[in-house]
Amino acid sequence: DAKTTQPTSMDCAEGRAANLPCNHSTISGNEYVYWYRQIHSQGPQYIIHGLKNNETNEMASLIITEDRKSSTLILPHATLRDTAVYYCIVPSNFGNEKLTFGTGTRLTIIP
Amino acid sequence: IAGITQAPTSQILAAGRRMTLRCTQDMRHNAMYWYRQDLGLGLRLIHYSNTAGTTGKGEVPDGYSVSRANTDDFPLTLASAVPSQTSVYFCASSDYDRGLPAFFGQGTRLTVV
Repeated sequence: DAKTTQPTSMDCAEGRAANLPCNHSTISGNEYVYWYRQIHSQGPQYIIHGLKNNETNEMASLIITEDRKSSTLILPHATLRDTAVYYCIVPSNFGNEKLTFGTGTRLTIIP
Repeated sequence: IAGITQAPTSQILAAGRRMTLRCTQDMRHNAMYWYRQDLGLGLRLIHYSNTAGTTGKGEVPDGYSVSRANTDDFPLTLASAVPSQTSVYFCASSDYDRGLPAFFGQGTRLTVV
């Protein structure tokens, strides 16, 4: 898996957009970027993924830089329920998918 | 209901006992994984399997074994439990080769006393 780097923690005001950065400078040309979050002690939840183009779904938007070495997850209108640990991962798709998670970013939504 | 199921939800186990945590998925995903998560720490990969019949070691494999006899099931066995194996265990499955994300089970909370 390509190594990813995320800030340890971030705060965001309720109702504002939360922008979570991730660096993945060793990403290969056909590797996707995936984002997950883990709320309290629940199992991680898939949010969104992308390869080159920006992506949007009902939960979030994903902006990937043109050189693909970094990305930003955007929660457009953060709510208290978005408080969680957010993980950015880049799994290898060459048949050796160890799927390792880093420590992620602990996002706290402030009322 | 499609998804991934773990059993049991929680367990208290005496040290030295053998225990198998069960994990079943019905999404026909090729890859499956076992993680442990300790208080305040991230997910650490124990073992994984990229396809039925193959397994591999993750970051913290010692004291654990797995098997992958078929696509759907990926049991994790603690041959002789020790207190340091007290943790929350998550199973996951994925099919990244098809561009599909991973799905996680609800976790098994194991306490070894």
